[in-house]
Amino acid sequence: NAGVMQNPRHLVRRRGQEARLRCSPMKGHSHVYWYRQLPEEGLKFMVYLQKENIIDESGMPKERFSAEFPKEGPSILRIQQVVRGDSAAYFCASSPGTGSPGANVLTFGAGSRLTVL
Amino acid sequence: QQPVQSPQAVILREGEDAVINCSSSKALYSVHWYRQKHGEAPIFLMILLKGGEQKGHDKISASFNEKKQQSSLYLTASQLSYSGTYFCGTRRVTGANNLFFGTGTRLTVIP
Repeated sequence: NAGVMQNPRHLVRRRGQEARLRCSPMKGHSHVYWYRQLPEEGLKFMVYLQKENIIDESGMPKERFSAEFPKEGPSILRIQQVVRGDSAAYFCASSPGTGSPGANVLTFGAGSRLTVL
Repeated sequence: QQPVQSPQAVILREGEDAVINCSSSKALYSVHWYRQKHGEAPIFLMILLKGGEQKGHDKISASFNEKKQQSSLYLTASQLSYSGTYFCGTRRVTGANNLFFGTGTRLTVIP
């Protein structure tokens, strides 16, 4: 029973390049969440998606960042024209989403660590 | 939207107790507690719902006062394995299912 799978685990990009981070939710989970964590800081909410829908993107920067969760395949967080300030760990989490009160208990992936040179 | 946690950091000797607090300015539907060890993914500890419930998990328990929009995590007779950063995540009464996490409390347990 694989958990939340994120790849790549580590990604190095030069300023101006694009970064694509992938997340496959746990089996049976249809809700995906992306969080950003700077070193020694907390988890900052970015975006919440269901299949083919963005539910809440209030934490996403207005420019350069986008996320999708297509009908088939993993969720993707895309960062265009990366800058040094984008260097962080990006965690994906998933949940069943509906039903019991525990339906939005999040299971986290191991994270993708982006370094921008 | 982000809840506030206190203290920011605490150092304990094995066997000592600690309390971590989480408060929100928004009406809450539920509070979740997670623990993250350095370089690892956050791990779910427990969820508390409206109704002022308390929960326990081994020697770790928590309470939720919905009127005050506060939750507390109690660590009793701490063990070395309790070391890590504890985050509370809050889900609001209105709005979507996503959680907003506090700034974290770094707990270090020493022998």
